[in-house]
Amino acid sequence: AQSVAQPEDQVNVAEGNPLTVKCTYSVSGNPYLFWYVQYPNRGLQFLLKYITGDNLVKGSYGFEAEFNKSQTSFHLKKPSALVSDSALYFCAVRDGKSGGYNKLIFGAGTRLAVHP
Amino acid sequence: NAGVTQTPKFQVLKTGQSMTLQCAQDMNHNSMYWYRQDPGMGLRLIYYSASEGTTDKGEVPNGYNVSRLNKREFSLRLESAAPSQTSVYFCATWTGANTGELFFGEGSRLTVL
Repeated sequence: AQSVAQPEDQVNVAEGNPLTVKCTYSVSGNPYLFWYVQYPNRGLQFLLKYITGDNLVKGSYGFEAEFNKSQTSFHLKKPSALVSDSALYFCAVRDGKSGGYNKLIFGAGTRLAVHP
Repeated sequence: NAGVTQTPKFQVLKTGQSMTLQCAQDMNHNSMYWYRQDPGMGLRLIYYSASEGTTDKGEVPNGYNVSRLNKREFSLRLESAAPSQTSVYFCATWTGANTGELFFGEGSRLTVL
């Protein structure tokens, strides 16, 4: 069965420092991996995805993520954090074999707090 | 503006009452989804509809029913609400072919007393 783990409930980082939000996954086939961000009282917004190809994926707002097949990880990164990056971040996975529908399984979420 | 519209945004129910959450999209997407969000549990799929006229159960379908009325609309019904159904509910559509992603509405916050 598909599953996603986000091992940190919260990540704290100072503004201007690099940030990493961790994600590991388990799927039976080739993974399709996603990161979403949720600001307070809003819906989830798509940040980036890995389908195939280059292991380093670039997305919105300066975020990027690195796919590591051997470690089954897809960590979200940003070279220089902004206070406005403070939000709830979700990793999600879709099994590449899931066929005629597109169902994502989400992690529990990691709250990112960027301090001035 | 194109997007996914959910109504109502807030609702308070008493145990045993029924209600329907409405979702409408104007992006001409085939697949639609209902998720619930609970603290520490992420988003869990309740039901989905791969296309007009079809619906299937997700991870947590008990206590819910859905209707895919047409391509635009996908409603979620609670027949007899329970406090365990207190949650934030999100409707989403799938943006394209296999390589697309989910596009979410703003959410509906439901409290069952």
